[in-house]
Amino acid sequence: DTGVSQDPRHKITKRGQNVTFRCDPISEHNRLYWYRQTLGQGPEFLTYFQNEAQLEKSRLLSDRFSAERPKGSFSTLEIQRTEQGDSAMYLCASSSGRGTEAFFGQGTRLTVV
Amino acid sequence: GNSVTQMEGPVTLSEEAFLTINCTYTATGYPSLFWYVQYPGEGLQLLLKATKADDKGSNKGFEATYRKETTSFHLEKGSVQVSDSAVYFCALSGYTGFQKLVFGTGTRLLVSP
Repeated sequence: DTGVSQDPRHKITKRGQNVTFRCDPISEHNRLYWYRQTLGQGPEFLTYFQNEAQLEKSRLLSDRFSAERPKGSFSTLEIQRTEQGDSAMYLCASSSGRGTEAFFGQGTRLTVV
Repeated sequence: GNSVTQMEGPVTLSEEAFLTINCTYTATGYPSLFWYVQYPGEGLQLLLKATKADDKGSNKGFEATYRKETTSFHLEKGSVQVSDSAVYFCALSGYTGFQKLVFGTGTRLLVSP
């Protein structure tokens, strides 16, 4: 068990470009969460998967954001036409079931220039 | 909606001093309450939790008691160490059937020798 893994750790992109992040949860964890953390703030919930089904999306997740979890394993978060306001740390977490601890990855820091 | 308010930092203490970080919450129903810690360069880690009123969570010398009457979950430690320097986040999970966390803004703790 190597924990929740996120790739890349850092991403610098130009405004208007598309970016994709990957999250590999702890094996056999069926629940996967994405959060966004801006400087000086706590993480904010973006979306939640149970297995391959995306069960909830926050209003923070605009139409430019899309998340997938094919086959209920790894997940990707794509941001299209990035804006400077998208600059943040994107965190992934996973858990094995309702009421169980959510383990976080180290995050992907996105900088849009 | 659900929300968490915690004291602003940084909190600066000398080693072996007593620590209190205040956290209050607003929530419907019966939330679970958490403290997460983020050490420099690392991901969020669960420090302790409490799932019902009057429960006390404890770990690594840290304690917090779920006070429903004051809607509070203050973090305390009797004697801090330099290694406790980190950012501490108070969080809650509403009774939604899955562990979607609502975080406070975080409090940075700096402990000097």
